[in-house]
Amino acid sequence: EVQLVESGGGLVQPGSSLKLSCVASGFTFSSYNMHWIRQAPKKGLEWIALIYYDSSNKYYADSVKGRFTISRDNSKNTLYLEMNSLRSEDTAMYYCAKGYYSSYFDYWGQGVMVTVSS
Amino acid sequence: DIQMTQSPASLSASLEEIVTITCQASQDIGNWLAWYQQKPGKSPQLLIYDATSLADGVPSRFSGSRSGTQYSLKISRLQVEDIGSYYCQQAHSNPRTFGGGTKLELK
Repeated sequence: EVQLVESGGGLVQPGSSLKLSCVASGFTFSSYNMHWIRQAPKKGLEWIALIYYDSSNKYYADSVKGRFTISRDNSKNTLYLEMNSLRSEDTAMYYCAKGYYSSYFDYWGQGVMVTVSS
Repeated sequence: DIQMTQSPASLSASLEEIVTITCQASQDIGNWLAWYQQKPGKSPQLLIYDATSLADGVPSRFSGSRSGTQYSLKISRLQVEDIGSYYCQQAHSNPRTFGGGTKLELK
């Protein structure tokens, strides 16, 4: 059974940093591209980052480019999202998702909440 | 960036009714289109990919279609477990973009 379990969220002040983790199980993690997607409270879905299976390529949404960094450790079956210079508009539920045919998202974690507020 | 315009934003329908949700892409994305269902308090679930292909385990009452740059999700006979929000997503290019969502409620 595929499982994605996020952690590392919480309440932080504007301008601070946070690092999210997503531990994967039930599939060969090192063979799949992985994504981070977020959802602000009562809002829609926003894709924010993609990392290839071998970390050879990374892509970001303009809203987080230069502030967020996606990475992975295939030896630990873990995906990361390092978030710097956090803003109130980064307040959201953050989901990690497994890539399907490299283009879609077939498994999602339960999400981890990040709240940026003073 | 490719914009995905989804309609309606909200929809109220009766059990067994046919429900249709549409997404308009701002440019040609071919068949690179997926639909997701998100039940209240839950993570999204993949329903349809490649515009018309049903994801594993998804009931056959769900179907997808394409006409040019307009894409549709159809629920042939609405069931109570179909209540939630629905999102389209283009997979043609980065950044991946979603439609604004459709909130489906029971009448």
